[in-house]
Amino acid sequence: NAGVTQTPKFQVLKTGQSMTLQCAQDMNHNSMYWYRQDPGMGLRLIYYSASEGTTDKGEVPNGYNVSRLNKREFSLRLESAAPSQTSVYFCASEILGGYTFGSGTRLTVV
Amino acid sequence: DAKTTQPNSMESNEEEPVHLPCNHSTISGTDYIHWYRQLPSQGPEYVIHGLTSNVNNRMASLAIAEDRKSSTLILHRATLRDAAVYYCIHGRRNTPLVFGKGTRLSVIA
Repeated sequence: NAGVTQTPKFQVLKTGQSMTLQCAQDMNHNSMYWYRQDPGMGLRLIYYSASEGTTDKGEVPNGYNVSRLNKREFSLRLESAAPSQTSVYFCASEILGGYTFGSGTRLTVV
Repeated sequence: DAKTTQPNSMESNEEEPVHLPCNHSTISGTDYIHWYRQLPSQGPEYVIHGLTSNVNNRMASLAIAEDRKSSTLILHRATLRDAAVYYCIHGRRNTPLVFGKGTRLSVIA
C-alpha cells in the first residue's frame, strides 16, 4: 500500500519553463489537495478537489492549474515558472478528516 | 480563516510526557480539532483529531477543554523520533485544513 505518491522528488526549472507535478493515491479517497511550504512556514493550500471532476482554488492559486484526471490522480501544473514558486510542494488525500500526505516535491526555479 | 495559537518551540527530555498546548478561541461548534506533525524533510502526518470528547490513540491523547477554546496534545513518553513540528488546526468537516507555523518540539536524550 503506497499511500500518496508524488513525482518527481526534486526539480530545477528555469524561469518561464513549464512543468507538471504528479500525484497519485491508492486509498480510494475522494478528496485531494495541493499545498506548498516555504522555509520556516506552514503549508499553504494551492488547489483542492473534493471529488473526481471538481476543483477549487485555495489560498494561493495564482500561477498554477490543476487537473483531477480520475479518482486516483491529481496533477499540478506551472505554466510559466517564476522564482517565487520555489518551494516544497505536498499533495494529500483525505477521508473523514484524516489527511495522508506525500513525501513532497522540492522545486527550485532559477 | 481558522486561527490557532501555539508556542513556537518546546523542549522535552526523552521518555518523559509532553503536553503541547493550543488555543483556538474562534472555534465554532461544528469545528473539529486536528493535530498533525511533520518530521524533518517529510510531509505532515496525522496524529489525532476530535470534536468534544478527549481522544486516545496509539500515538497520543487529545485533551479538549470544556469550552473547546483550547486543547492539549499529550505524548505519553517522548522519544527522539517524536522531534517534529506539531500543527494544531480547527475546521469544519469537508473544509480544507489551514496550517499555521506549529510548535517545534525538540527531544533531548
